[in-house]
Amino acid sequence: AQSVTQLDSQVPVFEEAPVELRCNYSSSVSVYLFWYVQYPNQGLQLLLKYLSGSTLVKGINGFEAEFNKSQTSFHLRKPSVHISDTAEYFCAVGADYGGSQGNLIFGKGTKLSVKP
Amino acid sequence: NAGVTQTPKFRILKIGQSMTLQCTQDMNHNYMYWYRQDPGMGLKLIYYSVGAGITDKGEVPNGYNVSRSTTEDFPLRLELAAPSQTSVYFCASSYSNRLAGSYEQYFGPGTRLTVT
Repeated sequence: AQSVTQLDSQVPVFEEAPVELRCNYSSSVSVYLFWYVQYPNQGLQLLLKYLSGSTLVKGINGFEAEFNKSQTSFHLRKPSVHISDTAEYFCAVGADYGGSQGNLIFGKGTKLSVKP
Repeated sequence: NAGVTQTPKFRILKIGQSMTLQCTQDMNHNYMYWYRQDPGMGLKLIYYSVGAGITDKGEVPNGYNVSRSTTEDFPLRLELAAPSQTSVYFCASSYSNRLAGSYEQYFGPGTRLTVT
């Protein structure tokens, strides 16, 4: 079975500062990983994904994440945040059964609050 | 493409009432999912379907039922509503085939349900 832990429930930062949202996972098989963003009163929107290949993945809105297999981590980063990045961010992990997918397991979310 | 649509957006139910949450996708995805989201708890999978006529339980199926008669539609039925079912419900869909591009899930805008 897979599990995912988002290490911070809330992250306050000032505008134009860098931010890192942490995500650790556990799995006995290969995984694929996602970061989703949820703006208030909306559904989840995909930020970026790791399926295979390069461990550094770039997503929308200037976000990137690095897959670290030895640390079982998939931390999300942005070098300079904007007020509009204020939202809740979810890390999700799924098992890769080599052509078929397992269901996604979501973390509990990290609320990013960007202050002027 | 409309993507994933859900109706209604909001609903208040009395204890013991029943209702159906509607979900439709126009992306010809064969996988569909129902999640509930409670504050600070992330998303929990209620039921999922890998194709028309095939459904299976997720992590929290008690008190819910689903059916999948077409590729496009995946309604969620609540029988005998209870206060514990107060939540935000999200429907999602995805491809199942790695060659199709990804395993990412596309989410609807959600239904906010209150049971009193």
